[in-house]
Amino acid sequence: SQQGEEDPQALSIQEGENATMNCSYKTSINNLQWYRQNSGRGLVHLILIRSNEREKHSGRLRVTLDTSKKSSSLLITASRAADTASYFCATTSGSRLTFGEGTQLTVNP
Amino acid sequence: ETGVTQTPRHLVMGMTNKKSLKCEQHLGHNAMYWYKQSAKKPLELMFVYSLEERVENNSVPSRFSPECPNSSHLFLHLHTLQPEDSALYLCASSLHLPGGDGKNIQYFGAGTRLSVL
Repeated sequence: SQQGEEDPQALSIQEGENATMNCSYKTSINNLQWYRQNSGRGLVHLILIRSNEREKHSGRLRVTLDTSKKSSSLLITASRAADTASYFCATTSGSRLTFGEGTQLTVNP
Repeated sequence: ETGVTQTPRHLVMGMTNKKSLKCEQHLGHNAMYWYKQSAKKPLELMFVYSLEERVENNSVPSRFSPECPNSSHLFLHLHTLQPEDSALYLCASSLHLPGGDGKNIQYFGAGTRLSVL
């Protein structure tokens, strides 16, 4: 089974709304990262949160990490149509970075 | 631009062809990766190179053959592929291999869309 599993698999919202995506994992981690992928393109790193951090912000992005529940969430505030993409969490455990299956976010204008 | 360039962007090949995918990074990174991304499947790590040495090979069929001549270039040589090998092949690089220091952010190329007929 996957180390990182995103929830929901797909999310459709209206422009201006907030989008929340969740990631659960199974083993202890060094850090957790979120990446974004536009259709048919490479992944782009968004934010990294270390295992001893609980919350991190970057612009309209807010990431939380709960190591006791082995889960993380990515919040995108005031969404825009340009935020439409797939979002992946990736966990670093030992010497391995493992990606989840992704959440497809659609922001309707 | 992420600093990682992949060529070609699109490739169509028959099952008997031999072709190569190229990846180049201008970031001074030490680690480079090949991933396969198929529809409705998670990203699959294929190969990992650190300082030109292969450190991971995830049970990839021998019809895929990687080559890392120096720390800036990575190739994936393809021969006698199958239709199920059709996918987006992504190259990535990072300053270091994943570890505890948090310096393993990966930078991805735009990918090569491969179709095997």
